[in-house]
Amino acid sequence: GAVVSQHPSRVICKSGTSVKIECRSLDFQATTMFWYRQFPKQSLMLMATSNEGSKATYEQGVEKDKFLINHASLTLSTLTVTSAHPEDSSFYICSATKTSGSLTDTQYFGPGTRLTVL
Amino acid sequence: GQQLNQSPQSMFIQEGEDVSMNCTSSSIFNTWLWYKQDPGEGPVLLIALYKAGELTSNGRLTAQFGITRKDSFLNISASIPSDVGIYFCAGYGSSNTGKLIFGQGTTLQVKP
Repeated sequence: GAVVSQHPSRVICKSGTSVKIECRSLDFQATTMFWYRQFPKQSLMLMATSNEGSKATYEQGVEKDKFLINHASLTLSTLTVTSAHPEDSSFYICSATKTSGSLTDTQYFGPGTRLTVL
Repeated sequence: GQQLNQSPQSMFIQEGEDVSMNCTSSSIFNTWLWYKQDPGEGPVLLIALYKAGELTSNGRLTAQFGITRKDSFLNISASIPSDVGIYFCAGYGSSNTGKLIFGQGTTLQVKP
């Protein structure tokens, strides 16, 4: 199997607070995890690539100080949205690839986290 | 960068009908993946294609990796109401960045 979980599934927070989202690979080890953002009726937009034990690589236009990513183990990556504002409200989805080392590994996605910032 | 053009954007069909959607690119892709996303959920992998010309089935779903490596199609036979959702093609381009490139999605609605 290749099951990826995310927690929480939904979160509502006040503007200015920070929110942490967890992404776990449940039945496999994931060398690489990815964080995506999806707006309504749009495709997935890659935010950053996270490798276990090293700093995340952020896509152009994504603020690394605002979206903190930590990939502390082969089964867990976290995304922290710092000082959240209403425009950060979105659907955040993580994915993970198995530790085969290939750059074309299949990505398995988590169920997503709906963030609403009031 | 490399892009994928997915069509059609949306489809509204009668239960029992067959469905076909495709993705094309102006550049070569090494891997094609087809995902389905239900509302409020993450994408679920349907079919993965790794070789040019590869034809793979998963139940009522069939997908092919185009021989030119610039396109892929997904067919759904005898559609049922639970086929409703958004279907995304995705692929790894020849630039080998390790980043998955997504199509814009095809929204499928099935009328019982």
